[in-house]
Amino acid sequence: NAGVTQTPKFQVLKTGQSMTLQCAQDMNHNSMYWYRQDPGMGLRLIYYSASEGTTDKGEVPNGYNVSRLNKREFSLRLESAAPSQTSVYFCASSTGHNTDTQYFGPGTRLTVL
Amino acid sequence: AQSVTQPDIHITVSEGASLELRCNYSYGATPYLFWYVQSPGQGLQLLLKYFSGDTLVQGIKGFEAEFKRSQSSFNLRKPSVHWSDAAEYFCAVAVNNAGNMLTFGGGTRLMVKP
Repeated sequence: NAGVTQTPKFQVLKTGQSMTLQCAQDMNHNSMYWYRQDPGMGLRLIYYSASEGTTDKGEVPNGYNVSRLNKREFSLRLESAAPSQTSVYFCASSTGHNTDTQYFGPGTRLTVL
Repeated sequence: AQSVTQPDIHITVSEGASLELRCNYSYGATPYLFWYVQSPGQGLQLLLKYFSGDTLVQGIKGFEAEFKRSQSSFNLRKPSVHWSDAAEYFCAVAVNNAGNMLTFGGGTRLMVKP
């Protein structure tokens, strides 16, 4: 099992460019999540998908869109990148129960110039 | 809204010394609490979690944490730190609804002196 995979690992964008971060899990999990990690702020939830076919905003959704393509895949799109979106992005998945562990991917380090 | 505070941004301990990382939460109902560890350049890995029962929980890598409702705390401890424990540690609380959403603290970076 690969667990949670993310592509790409690194990306540099210019302001205004768009890109999609890809995430896939092979654990048959119902719920998937996108977080961003910034120094001193821990991880903040951008969007989540409690189950296939549903998506909801998290704490910091502005400037992002998501697609739950199927049960395995959950993508994050930046339509017009801004320097404030320079961050490390993590995808995670879980069964969705409150006490369950979330399993994290290795992250994507994004720099917006 | 729930929140998690990790008062110590950086901690340095000597190898073999004991460790305690602090975590305080603010949440109205019974919390579900987690500690995750992030090694450099890696994703997060669960160390342990608490959701009911015994307030002292054991985790992987020799870590333990104690839930104290009266102090709204869930501090992480290890009796003897190894150099490989150098990492960033995150405390998190789960919101009690569908979706298992986590709110994370700001993290504590642990450095280990030889």
